[in-house]
Amino acid sequence: QQQVKQSPQSLIVQKGGISIINCAYENTAFDYFPWYQQFPGKGPALLIAIRPDVSEKKEGRFTISFNKSAKQFSLHIMDSQPGDSATYFCAASRIRGTSYGKLTFGQGTILTVHP
Amino acid sequence: SAVISQKPSRDICQRGTSLTIQCQVDSQVTMMFWYRQQPGQSLTLIATANQGSEATYESGFVIDKFPISRPNLTFSTLTVSNMSPEDSSIYLCSVGQTNTEAFFGQGTRLTVV
Repeated sequence: QQQVKQSPQSLIVQKGGISIINCAYENTAFDYFPWYQQFPGKGPALLIAIRPDVSEKKEGRFTISFNKSAKQFSLHIMDSQPGDSATYFCAASRIRGTSYGKLTFGQGTILTVHP
Repeated sequence: SAVISQKPSRDICQRGTSLTIQCQVDSQVTMMFWYRQQPGQSLTLIATANQGSEATYESGFVIDKFPISRPNLTFSTLTVSNMSPEDSSIYLCSVGQTNTEAFFGQGTRLTVV
């Protein structure tokens, strides 16, 4: 599996602030980039995903920015809330062919939002 | 989204024994996968569970250690064989359909003592 590098490893923000998590990938065949949110003791939950034909996707307070030429994508959480405190994983996969659905995950970011 | 149920949710096992984890989906799905999440770590793909044929394993994972079954389009099992403390992890089932997102079960937290 090709690597997906995620940073920072941990992030602390104040309530109402903006949380930004970055990921970079190597394999140019990747064409699907989801973000997952994981609370302790739970499985990862799909948060938002993007395909490389768009540079940005927004769903509520969550936005993915995608830079195909730089092979980078990022998650922005606007107006961060204490309930957003969780571990966030970026991932990448191919949506076609035999590799479909096989996710390569970043290392994860532990987000803490202080009230 | 598909509803995925994993059993057991957690277990404590003696070294040298085996544990079989079940994954049940509430609808037929094309793809089923098994991942491992070691303590404090990211998720690593173990194998693709193929319906009606042998599972496809990723580098570093072998069938003798992690035998997988998938008898139909809604069910799969993963067995962790001859366990050692290094196998202590969360094991997660994931499902996907063509052109849709991948979803995860709640995971099975395994502790080997």
